[in-house]
Amino acid sequence: NAGVTQTPKFQVLKTGQSMTLQCAQDMNHEYMSWYRQDPGMGLRLIHYSVGAGITDQGEVPNGYNVSRSTTEDFPLRLLSAAPSQTSVYFCASSYGGLNNSPLHFGNGTRLTVT
Amino acid sequence: AQSVTQLDSQVPVFEEAPVELRCNYSSSVSVYLFWYVQYPNQGLQLLLKYLSGSTLVKSINGFEAEFNKSQTSFHLRKPSVHISDTAEYFCAVSAGGGYQKVTFGIGTKLQVIP
Repeated sequence: NAGVTQTPKFQVLKTGQSMTLQCAQDMNHEYMSWYRQDPGMGLRLIHYSVGAGITDQGEVPNGYNVSRSTTEDFPLRLLSAAPSQTSVYFCASSYGGLNNSPLHFGNGTRLTVT
Repeated sequence: AQSVTQLDSQVPVFEEAPVELRCNYSSSVSVYLFWYVQYPNQGLQLLLKYLSGSTLVKSINGFEAEFNKSQTSFHLRKPSVHISDTAEYFCAVSAGGGYQKVTFGIGTKLQVIP
């Protein structure tokens, strides 16, 4: 059972480049989400999805795009990378997505934008 | 709106000594509370959770936390720490009904000194 798988583990981009961070889960979780982790700021929610075809914005959505075409996959797109997007990105999923369901996290993607 | 305060960004402690990591929250509705642990270069893992019932909850590796509604706290304790407990610990709160609106604290780095 792989859980939540994120690729790539590391990425370096130049300002203005675009890329997609991949996230896949094999637990049949309805809820999936993307967080960014920055020193001294904890984790902040970027976007989330409560099922295939349904997405919504979190706390810090600007500069990011998501889609959910299948239950398993929830890619995060950076349309035009900026140095402020240098961060560690985590994908997380949960069963049902209700507030009492613990989150299952991937191992993260460390992104540097120069 | 809900918020989480972790008062200590770093906590050094000698091996086999007790430790307490503090967490306070604010919310206008009833809450669910979580502690997650993050080992180096990994994603977050659920350590323990309070959903309802007994206010004292325990993990399999000796940690415990007590929900104190009057003090709006959910402090994490362990009577005797091991080197392997060195990690970053995040307190999280979700409140109300509906889908996940989880707020994380900024994290506390526990450094166990041999």
